[in-house]
Amino acid sequence: DAGVTQSPTHLIKTRGQQVTLRCSPKSGHDTVSWYQQALGQGPQFIFQYYEEEERQRGNFPDRFSGHQFPNYSSELNVNALLLGDSALYLCASSSDRVSSYNEQFFGPGTRLTVL
Amino acid sequence: AQSVTQLDSQVPVFEEAPVELRCNYSSSVSVYLFWYVQYPNQGLQLLLKYLSGSTLVKGINGFEAEFNKSQTSFHLRKPSVHISDTAEYFCAVSEMNNNDMRFGAGTRLTVKP
Repeated sequence: DAGVTQSPTHLIKTRGQQVTLRCSPKSGHDTVSWYQQALGQGPQFIFQYYEEEERQRGNFPDRFSGHQFPNYSSELNVNALLLGDSALYLCASSSDRVSSYNEQFFGPGTRLTVL
Repeated sequence: AQSVTQLDSQVPVFEEAPVELRCNYSSSVSVYLFWYVQYPNQGLQLLLKYLSGSTLVKGINGFEAEFNKSQTSFHLRKPSVHISDTAEYFCAVSEMNNNDMRFGAGTRLTVKP
């Protein structure tokens, strides 16, 4: 079992550009959540995707958008990048079918640097 | 909405000494509580979780935590730490029927020889 995988590992962009990050969930999982972890801080919830739709969203602007594909993989898109978007972006997967509580398994993250 | 406060940003300790990492939460409803560990350049690994039942929860790598509802705390403990326990530790809370998991700012545990 490969677990949760994310690509790319590292990414460097300039202000104003757009970026797409990718996540493949753990085998058997159908739900993907995205988190932003700024340097020295805890992760912050961006949004969660289930059945190809955004199920819940945290306090992030519309510049942050996502998508979930039929194979449950997911993308996070960020438009009009700002310096403050520099962070580690974590993807977590879980399964709605297992129980009422859905343990999240985290990927290694994508380190985004905005110059 | 729920929130988490980790009371210590850094905890230095000598090898084989006991350690306690403190966590307090705030919520108006029932919650699930978690501790995660993050090693450098890696994602988060679940150490333990409290969902319901016994307030003393045992996790991996010899860690345990106690849920105290009256003090809204969920402190993490280990009786004897190893050099390999050096990492960042995050406390997190999730309200029932809410997919927005809130994390604390983290506690950097440094184990010295």
